[in-house]
Amino acid sequence: DIQVTQSPSSLSASVGDRVTITCRASQGITTSLAWYQLKPGKAPKLLVFGAVKLESGVPSRFSASGSGTDFTLTISSLQPEDFATYYCQHYYGTPITFGQGTRLEIK
Amino acid sequence: EVQLVESGGGLVQPGGSLRLSCVASGFTFSNYWMSWVRQAPGRGMEWVANIKQDGSQTHYVDSVKGRFTISRDNAKNSLYLQMSSLGAEDAAVYYCARAQYEYVWGSYNYWGQGTMVTVSS
Repeated sequence: DIQVTQSPSSLSASVGDRVTITCRASQGITTSLAWYQLKPGKAPKLLVFGAVKLESGVPSRFSASGSGTDFTLTISSLQPEDFATYYCQHYYGTPITFGQGTRLEIK
Repeated sequence: EVQLVESGGGLVQPGGSLRLSCVASGFTFSNYWMSWVRQAPGRGMEWVANIKQDGSQTHYVDSVKGRFTISRDNAKNSLYLQMSSLGAEDAAVYYCARAQYEYVWGSYNYWGQGTMVTVSS
């Protein structure tokens, strides 16, 4: 199975900060990677697909990069609504696996 | 507007069974692979299973093979997950998710709000 290792597991930051979350796949997955935002009691939200493509409606302060094994999600200027948990997910075949999650908290 | 509404969660004893349902609206249900994804309390997300548009193909994570069965009824725009031999490790919020594109493997751009399964005696 392909494993995705996400870091950090938690992150404390302030409004306006720039933050970066990384995911590393255990083998090359080309650009078969997505990023999601989770908030308690809400449906998960797709942010990025194809490793670098922003889903429609996602603010431009979100950006993503990477291919092969190393991927990043960057939020350029944190807004209050961005404090949530973020997951990466590979879809390079079965089984699909998710990273361990990054909990982004207000400093 | 696309909507996915799960139901059927609840408290079940270890070794018991439960059937989850997901009703879809706002899109042509029969055009998309559908999946179940779960998140255990305090743990990360885990893809559970998916099913092809016509129900002819299914895939499962190893931990549920032989215990869970995913199915769908396109006439009712409904997705199901029959779960049996439930253990503590199956306790989670279960989400119904729609594939973004009409391919077997991909990202999920629509999700339900989840239904919670608790396994306890």
